[in-house]
Parts: sequence; C-alpha cells; structure tokens
Amino acid sequence: QKEVEQDPGPLSVPEGAIVSLNCTYSNSAFQYFMWYRQYSRKGPELLMYTYSSGNKEDGRFTAQVDKSSKYISLFIRDSQPSDSATYLCAMRTSGGYNKLIFGAGTRLAVHP
Amino acid sequence: SQTIHQWPATLVQPVGSPLSLECTVEGTSNPNLYWYRQAAGRGLQLLFYSVGIGQISSEVPQNLSASRPQDRQFILSSKKLLLSDSGFYLCAWMADEKLFFGSGTQLSVL
Repeated sequence: QKEVEQDPGPLSVPEGAIVSLNCTYSNSAFQYFMWYRQYSRKGPELLMYTYSSGNKEDGRFTAQVDKSSKYISLFIRDSQPSDSATYLCAMRTSGGYNKLIFGAGTRLAVHP
Repeated sequence: SQTIHQWPATLVQPVGSPLSLECTVEGTSNPNLYWYRQAAGRGLQLLFYSVGIGQISSEVPQNLSASRPQDRQFILSSKKLLLSDSGFYLCAWMADEKLFFGSGTQLSVL
C-alpha cells in the first residue's frame, strides 16, 4: 500500500464549477500537508500549506485536513480554464523536512 | 527575493552518455537542496538531498550521483545514462519549512 493515494483523473469540469481534489494517506504521524499545482512541463508551485487538522482558505482555494479519516481535500471555487493543471498533494511528519511524500497527482481540465 | 535556476529545460542524450544537470539558488545562504525525479503519470521521487557543502544524502540507489561544490549549487550527474533514467528532473530548495521547485529538466535517453 502506498503511503499517499491520489486519484490520477483526469477530472473534467465546466468553467465556474466547484472542484474537489482528494488524497488519502496511511501514516498517522503526518502533520504537515501541502497542495502543489503543476502545469505541463513546469515545476510544481506551492498552493496551500497546512498544519494538522482543519481548514485553510486562500482566495478561491480551500484546503481541508481530516486526520481522523486520514483524508485531505483541496476545493477550487469558480474554477477557471487557467486552473487546468495537475494537482499534487504532499505531506510529512513533524521534523521530516527531508521526507516529503507526494501523491501521484490529479489532472484537472476546466473547459469554457 | 529567493529564486532557483535550473538548466537545461530539455535534454536528449544517447544511452551510455554522461549527464550533468545544474541548479543554483539565489537570495539565500546554506539552503537545503533537493533533486527529484518525476516519471510520466507518477509522483515525485526524492533522489538526493543536501544540507550543506559536500553533504549529500541518497534516497534511492541508482545510476545517478549528486554533488554540492558550492553553498548554492547542486549538481546531478551520471557517468553512463540508462534508458530508465528518462524523466522530468526537478531541483528544489526549502525555505520556512516549505519546498519550492525549479522549472525542471525533461531528460530523454534514447
């Protein structure tokens, strides 16, 4: 079993839709959770960084962590064609700075 | 502000040829530096990380090596490339406990 599971998609939605992207994990020691956005042939860009459980909002993006279920989500409101990219979740333990574990990424396509 | 430079953007190399990918960071000193590889449809795999000059930790035994000759320079090398070395290589650095990536190098070994 992989430490982090992420549905590869692709996920296709119409412009303006609410998008939900998810990851599950098996290591209960993970404390820090991240979401990256990666455009084709580009390096990943950090979108959201959260610690422990709860929600964090930044503009149209909301990151949610449910440690009891070992489940994290990224919600995108009012999705735009420019949101079309691959979204990677990542996580690590406290102090595990050099041991960031990534999901395989979900491809999202937002069509006009 | 801090920036990371990685080059070249694309590289096509024959099997058995050597490899050298370079990464430099500006605007910070003594950063933790990382090399990742991303195969098509797969997640990011950590190859090497460095916490200082000459200090290299290898995460996966393979045909690659890394060196850090200067504080803000990180180099990924191979003496003889294999077909399986093809992939998207990313340099990254850590700031405020967050990982930031360079633009990547698409390596095709033919």
